[in-house]
Amino acid sequence: GAGVSQTPSNKVTEKGKYVELRCDPISGHTALYWYRQSLGQGPEFLIYFQGTGAADDSGLPNDRFFAVRPEGSVSTLKIQRTERGDSAVYLCASSLGAGGYGETQYFGPGTRLLVL
Amino acid sequence: GIQVEQSPPDLILQEGANSTLRCNFSDSVNNLQWFHQNPWGQLINLFYIPSGTKQNGRLSATTVATERYSLLYISSSQTTDSGVYFCAVEDDYKLSFGAGTTVTVRA
Repeated sequence: GAGVSQTPSNKVTEKGKYVELRCDPISGHTALYWYRQSLGQGPEFLIYFQGTGAADDSGLPNDRFFAVRPEGSVSTLKIQRTERGDSAVYLCASSLGAGGYGETQYFGPGTRLLVL
Repeated sequence: GIQVEQSPPDLILQEGANSTLRCNFSDSVNNLQWFHQNPWGQLINLFYIPSGTKQNGRLSATTVATERYSLLYISSSQTTDSGVYFCAVEDDYKLSFGAGTTVTVRA
């Protein structure tokens, strides 16, 4: 079946603008995760959803970042007043069960965000 | 959080060679995954291996949970094996990644 999909694949914006990044998880997966990968580094956790609720948002760097998953499927990561330091690849992953122990996470292709 | 260290940071191989990548982690874990990130940035699942040994074609992995390390073996390497290999361990639902090993396989 289809894997995790993310749109757009690339996004160029100007400093101070608002952006939305979308993630479509694997059908039937209840857990959804957002990660951010800077150049030359491994992905870093941002937020984890179990169903519609954010179970852990401890990785969000500041209050300019917000994510929603209103119907327990598609998720949107929202970044307000973008800064050049927000430039990175934003990765989404999903897993079948409740997340946590024993669940394999499957990653999407990422959205490459460039803030000019 | 759990610290994850990968070695070596870079590896250059001649096609056909074998290699071993290592992942050390600082605490006991219930989930460990190996990924290959291809040149287009896609993270491809290789193994889910919290303990024991698994093999998939030319790749195999072993995790010794009691000693907090995992090894990824690449045999008879091919140019398509080039890319970055990440080890990631589960830390309260989220995955904590190492910095990766960049593998370059030369024809």
